[in-house]
Amino acid sequence: AQKVTQAQTEISVVEKEDVTLDCVYETRDTTYYLFWYKQPPSGELVFLIRRNSFDEQNEISGRYSWNFQKSTSSFNFTITASQVVDSAVYFCALSPTGANNLFFGTGTRLTVIP
Amino acid sequence: EAQVTQNPRYLITVTGKKLTVTCSQNMNHEYMSWYRQDPGLGLRQIYYSMNVEVTDKGDVPEGYKVSRKEKRNFPLILESPSPNQTSLYFCASSLSIPGLAHEQFFGPGTRLTVL
Repeated sequence: AQKVTQAQTEISVVEKEDVTLDCVYETRDTTYYLFWYKQPPSGELVFLIRRNSFDEQNEISGRYSWNFQKSTSSFNFTITASQVVDSAVYFCALSPTGANNLFFGTGTRLTVIP
Repeated sequence: EAQVTQNPRYLITVTGKKLTVTCSQNMNHEYMSWYRQDPGLGLRQIYYSMNVEVTDKGDVPEGYKVSRKEKRNFPLILESPSPNQTSLYFCASSLSIPGLAHEQFFGPGTRLTVL
């Protein structure tokens, strides 16, 4: 069984603060993929990152960074120097290797206050 | 432009009146899927298709049907909608290569209200 937990339902930060969104997953598969998607107020789902379970290197893309720790089954997402445009719902998702099916967490609503 | 399109974007209907939500992609993707999004529950998979004429149930398939007669289209059918199917529906597509899981491209969503 696959399960993704995003314990933070809502987070509010003031612009320029750093914020970390937590994601903890459960799977019996030895190989899998992890994803983050952003859903801005307009409603569409925007792909942010895909990470293979074999690759535990952290990744940085501009103000975004991801910390993958297999030992704690976590794949956390940090936004540095947050901006109002970062306000959105963020979803973490898991896909077992060999299948494209995505198992989503319940999402974290981030509000960045100007 | 590579995209997934859904129609209609908004629909209000009544209990028991059959409806179809269309989904089409122009990226020649083998894999297509339907999700519903409900507050506090995230997105849950309804049905998916690995290729033409191949469909399978996701986590919440009850009350839904799908078909995949062409690679580009994957309609979602509600034969007798009920109020608990009021939700935001997303169609998605991706490549399908054995052993890999790919980024899924999502449509804009269809907001369905069943009265």
